Amino acid sequence: EDQVTQSPEALRLQEGESSSLNCSYTVSGLRGLFWYRQDPGKGPEFLFTLYSAGEEKEKERLKATLTKKESFLHITAPKPEDSATYLCAVPPFSGGYNKLIFGAGTRLAVHP
Amino acid sequence: GAVVSQHPSRVICKSGTSVKIECRSLDFQATTMFWYRQFPKQSLMLMATSNEGSKATYEQGVEKDKFLINHASLTLSTLTVTSAHPEDSSFYICSARGEEWGNYGYTFGSGTRLTVV
Repeated sequence: EDQVTQSPEALRLQEGESSSLNCSYTVSGLRGLFWYRQDPGKGPEFLFTLYSAGEEKEKERLKATLTKKESFLHITAPKPEDSATYLCAVPPFSGGYNKLIFGAGTRLAVHP
Repeated sequence: GAVVSQHPSRVICKSGTSVKIECRSLDFQATTMFWYRQFPKQSLMLMATSNEGSKATYEQGVEKDKFLINHASLTLSTLTVTSAHPEDSSFYICSARGEEWGNYGYTFGSGTRLTVV
């Protein structure tokens, strides 16, 4: 069964304290892995798409990496405004390209 | 570009009434739209996929008669929660994909908080 697992469930950081979020996936034939940011009461905001192992993408303080089994979202020197829930998602092998299976998310809180 | 507008952002309705939520793609044609439901501190659960001009495809366990989806144009999909009950209270989010993005372009609306009293 296609599955996405994120850890930790919640993470509290001090401003400037770098860390990483994990997204493990089991899918028969990865066709892309998506990272989104979701603020409370809002819809997810697209961050990155990774397609193949070894690929890396960066945006400001965020860097996403991908291996054959998992993806990491590295946050360097975070600021309070980085506080949000970070979601990763993959299209399942069956069901075409239309669906996304989401992980439960990591709730990140960055304190000054 | 690639903006999806969802309306209303919040709605409170009485038990037994129906509520319609709109999802519009503002600057692109959305061949496919998706409707998700999200409970507090939980992830998004896909409810249904709608393709313009055809019937929606519902996920297992989603009542198609309760959650009516219409995708009559390339820029508008609606979700109607019929005969709403308190257990239908949730955060509903739509997502759209444009044909020119290939397989992986998904943009989300800002969500609708439905409270049934």
